[in-house]
Amino acid sequence: AQRVTQPEKLLSVFKGAPVELKCNYSYSGSPELFWYVQYSRQRLQLLLRHISRESIKGFTADLNKGETSFHLKKPFAQEEDSAMYYCALRQSNRDDKIIFGKGTRLHILP
Amino acid sequence: EAGVTQFPSHSVIEKGQTVTLRCDPISGHDNLYWYRRVMGKEIKFLLHFVKESKQDESGMPNNRFLAERTGGTYSTLKVQPAELEDSGVYFCASSQGSGRGDTQYFGPGTRLTVL
Repeated sequence: AQRVTQPEKLLSVFKGAPVELKCNYSYSGSPELFWYVQYSRQRLQLLLRHISRESIKGFTADLNKGETSFHLKKPFAQEEDSAMYYCALRQSNRDDKIIFGKGTRLHILP
Repeated sequence: EAGVTQFPSHSVIEKGQTVTLRCDPISGHDNLYWYRRVMGKEIKFLLHFVKESKQDESGMPNNRFLAERTGGTYSTLKVQPAELEDSGVYFCASSQGSGRGDTQYFGPGTRLTVL
């Protein structure tokens, strides 16, 4: 079955330090991978997707099909990065539902 | 432009009662999705409408849940009768298309508490 695993429930990082939020997935086909973010008192919003290969707010994520991973990285954490981050998958060429991981709460320490 | 809106933001009901959640998608979005997150678990897909038709309702937990989208605009999700395990946050999302590259925009969610 398709699954998205985020091993860390909470990640605390000092401001200015590098950030890496881990995400692994299980899917036999060619999925579309996303990172969604939910800031305090805001709605869930798309941060980035693997097909865009873009950097948003300094974050990047590379799809590694060999390791079935899609880790989210940022070289220098900022206090405004504190939020809940969800890795997510959508099956390609099939249905449109998004499968989410349980999320990782990122806490940036001053 | 207004985003996806959901009503109510919170609902507290007793076991056995009925609750109806409403979602208004972004104007012009044919695709509407319902998801929910129960305590300690991941956000899970419930169903997908294309206009007024149910495209995929594989995530609906049981027949106590009924979703409608009459006229292909707003959607309602009714839980009747509500059970304790239905407590959680119910999200609605909409998208213009449904293909690779289309973005689902989420509403703020409705927090449902069943006592």
